[in-house]
Amino acid sequence: NAGVMQNPRHLVRRRGQEARLRCSPMKGHSHVYWYRQLPEEGLKFMVYLQKENIIDESGMPKERFSAEFPKEGPSILRIQQVVRGDSAAYFCASSERDSSNGYTFGSGTRLTVV
Amino acid sequence: AQTVTQSQPEMSVQEAETVTLSCTYDTSESDYYLFWYKQPPSRQMILVIRQEAYKQQNATENRFSVNFQKAAKSFSLKISDSQLGDAAMYFCAYRGGATNKLIFGTGTLLAVQP
Repeated sequence: NAGVMQNPRHLVRRRGQEARLRCSPMKGHSHVYWYRQLPEEGLKFMVYLQKENIIDESGMPKERFSAEFPKEGPSILRIQQVVRGDSAAYFCASSERDSSNGYTFGSGTRLTVV
Repeated sequence: AQTVTQSQPEMSVQEAETVTLSCTYDTSESDYYLFWYKQPPSRQMILVIRQEAYKQQNATENRFSVNFQKAAKSFSLKISDSQLGDAAMYFCAYRGGATNKLIFGTGTLLAVQP
């Protein structure tokens, strides 16, 4: 039973380019969460999605960032016109309808903006 | 808004000894869940232990146990018989009763000395 799959593991983008991070939730999980981890910091919540719905995007920057979780396919976190400050590890997690048992995390995507 | 505080950025323990990592949280809710996650150098987030706020009994998972003090809003993690493989960043997390979103602390980096 594959866990949460994130790809790519590492992503290098030049300033101004777009970054697309992908996340396939664990089988049977219908809820996806994206977190950002800056160096020497904890995980900051970004967005929480169900299939075709954004449930909570209170942690998403107002500009350049968007997320989707289509009916078919993985969840995508998209960062347009990346800047150096976007360099971080981005983690995806998934849960059942009720997350009281906690999340299952992916291995993260480390984004480096040069 | 709920917050999670880990006041120990770094801790160190001798192999086979016991160490306790601190976590406090702030909430006005009575129904919630608390978690400890481990992040080794591989970056993979691993669920260590969970606690349901309505249960008075402290959760235990093998060498890992918690001291849950609901009135004090404290949720410390005790690692007994520490092993080299326990070296990692440890994150405390809070989930309210009415949401699926986890809020994380800033983490404690645990070193295990041979």
